Amino acid sequence: DTAVSQTPKYLVTQMGNDKSIKCEQNLGHDTMYWYKQDSKKFLKIMFSYNNKELIINETVPNRFSPKSPDKAHLNLHINSLELGDSAVYFCASSQETSGNEQYFGPGTRLTVT
Amino acid sequence: AQSVTQLGSHVSVSEGALVLLRCNYSSSVPPYLFWYVQYPNQGLQLLLKYTSAATLVKGINGFEAEFKKSETSFHLTKPSAHMSDAAEYFCAVSDRHQKVTFGIGTKLQVIP
Repeated sequence: DTAVSQTPKYLVTQMGNDKSIKCEQNLGHDTMYWYKQDSKKFLKIMFSYNNKELIINETVPNRFSPKSPDKAHLNLHINSLELGDSAVYFCASSQETSGNEQYFGPGTRLTVT
Repeated sequence: AQSVTQLGSHVSVSEGALVLLRCNYSSSVPPYLFWYVQYPNQGLQLLLKYTSAATLVKGINGFEAEFKKSETSFHLTKPSAHMSDAAEYFCAVSDRHQKVTFGIGTKLQVIP
């Protein structure tokens, strides 16, 4: 069983469209994250939820909106996509009591044309 | 505020040679420290972590790292590089409030 899964794996879309990426973890963790990795491999945290509550909200355009329907799911919705949104988006989860080590999903490669 | 500096965005070693990837951290509280590995087209995978127990931490695939508080360092080593070790390596620090800050990554190339 995959611990942290993301769908879709690849997403190609045009500028101005709205898209969503879904993430699910079956590890029973309390905290989930969204990261953006650019073409130079730099990994930047975007959001973090703990038990469905937003706890980290970095400087991210408000076109990006996370939603956590329950603590096993954290989805990312992006409105009015721009060329600069092209990147790989990673979902991750962690449990504070186990030292904050993060378990990453396989990533979603978003290409905006 | 916490931060991580990885010295050397690219490191090349010969197969069988010592691997040394450098990481220095800054944290206002005793940190958790991590090394992750990312193979092409995959997510990050935890190699090892330091959480204030033993200062020498052993991880998967023969890697280890030593926490040196006086030098604020957490360098990653492996005695003998394998071709399969070629990947991107990330050092990370956590302030124990669940925010993890990653370094810029070091791409390890292993030359046959």
